[in-house]
Amino acid sequence: AQSVTQPDIHITVSEGASLELRCNYSYGATPYLFWYVQSPGQGLQLLLKYFSGDTLVQGIKGFEAEFKRSQSSFNLRKPSVHWSDAAEYFCAVGASNSGYALNFGKGTSLLVTP
Amino acid sequence: DAGITQSPRHKVTETGTPVTLRCHQTENHRYMYWYRQDPGHGLRLIHYSYGVKDTDKGEVSDGYSVSRSKTEDFLLTLESATSSQTSVYFCATTPSGSYEQYFGPGTRLTVT
Repeated sequence: AQSVTQPDIHITVSEGASLELRCNYSYGATPYLFWYVQSPGQGLQLLLKYFSGDTLVQGIKGFEAEFKRSQSSFNLRKPSVHWSDAAEYFCAVGASNSGYALNFGKGTSLLVTP
Repeated sequence: DAGITQSPRHKVTETGTPVTLRCHQTENHRYMYWYRQDPGHGLRLIHYSYGVKDTDKGEVSDGYSVSRSKTEDFLLTLESATSSQTSVYFCATTPSGSYEQYFGPGTRLTVT
């Protein structure tokens, strides 16, 4: 079954520093990959998605992610983090046997320090 | 974003009582999902629906049932709530043929 692993449970970065959140997936074919963000007490908002084509995808709020098939990775990046980026970030992969459901990673909590 | 609402938004109930959570969408999306979110587990699929009266189980379906009598409504029922079902429940929808899901605001359920 398709699955994703987010190796980092918590990450702390300084405001203005660059950010990279890691996501590794397990799937034989080309996966459908997503990054969602969840602010405290809120629902999930889609940051970006990868279905096919260009392996570098741009999302909202200045985020981008790169699909690397050789490394089974889909890491999320941002060149300069803002305090408002503090949130929980989830990587997800399409689950082929559950009616277009998603399999989520366990999430990475981002803390931004002044 | 899809118009997805969940009710109630917060609920406290006692062990052994039945609980029904409602998800309502205005986008006419075919697929609807219930996930639960727990610390350290991310989101896990409980049940999903691929049309009116068409539902199937997800990863963590034990203790839950669902119903979908109209395109716009997807109900999640805990027949006899247990403390292990204390969680935040999210509803999501997607149009046919798409993995891109739209999420509701969530329902925080506490079973005491």
